[in-house]
Amino acid sequence: NAGVTQTPKFQVLKTGQSMTLQCAQDMNHEYMSWYRQDPGMGLRLIHYSVGAGITDQGEVPNGYNVSRSTTEDFPLRLLSAAPSQTSVYFCASRLQVSSGNTIYFGEGSWLTVV
Amino acid sequence: AQSVAQPEDQVNVAEGNPLTVKCTYSVSGNPYLFWYVQYPNRGLQFLLKYITGDNLVKGSYGFEAEFNKSQTSFHLKKPSALVSDSALYFCAVRDKNAGNMLTFGGGTRLMVKP
Repeated sequence: NAGVTQTPKFQVLKTGQSMTLQCAQDMNHEYMSWYRQDPGMGLRLIHYSVGAGITDQGEVPNGYNVSRSTTEDFPLRLLSAAPSQTSVYFCASRLQVSSGNTIYFGEGSWLTVV
Repeated sequence: AQSVAQPEDQVNVAEGNPLTVKCTYSVSGNPYLFWYVQYPNRGLQFLLKYITGDNLVKGSYGFEAEFNKSQTSFHLKKPSALVSDSALYFCAVRDKNAGNMLTFGGGTRLMVKP
């Protein structure tokens, strides 16, 4: 049981480049989400999904796209990277949508946009 | 809208002394409350949560937290700090009636000195 797996762990992009951060979970969790972590701001929700085929915007969705074609995978796409997207990105999942279940995090992806 | 405040950027304690990391929250309804810990270059790890029931919640690594509804607080405590407890701690809240958004505080760095 690997939990929540994110790749890559580190990435440097040039402004305007595109890339995809991969996230997979093997716990059959319905809910998956992406957060970005910036100093002093905690974690802010980018996008989330309550099940395959369903996605919605979080607090800071601009500049990011997501899709959820399977229960296991929830990739985050940066279509045209900007320096403001330099951050640490965390994928997270939990079992059910409307409950107090614990949310589990991946190990993080450190992204630098130059 | 829901929010979380962690008023201290850093807390310094001596090993063996009790520690408290403060958290206050604001939600329109009843809250789910969580504490997570983050070690350097790692993802967030779940410590404990309050869903309902006893106001004193016990979690991993000897940590506990007390839910105080009148003061809208959920302070994290440990009777005797260890050097290995040094990390970044995040409080988070989710309104039971507000769907999927989990809101994080800005984080508090705990430094335990020998």
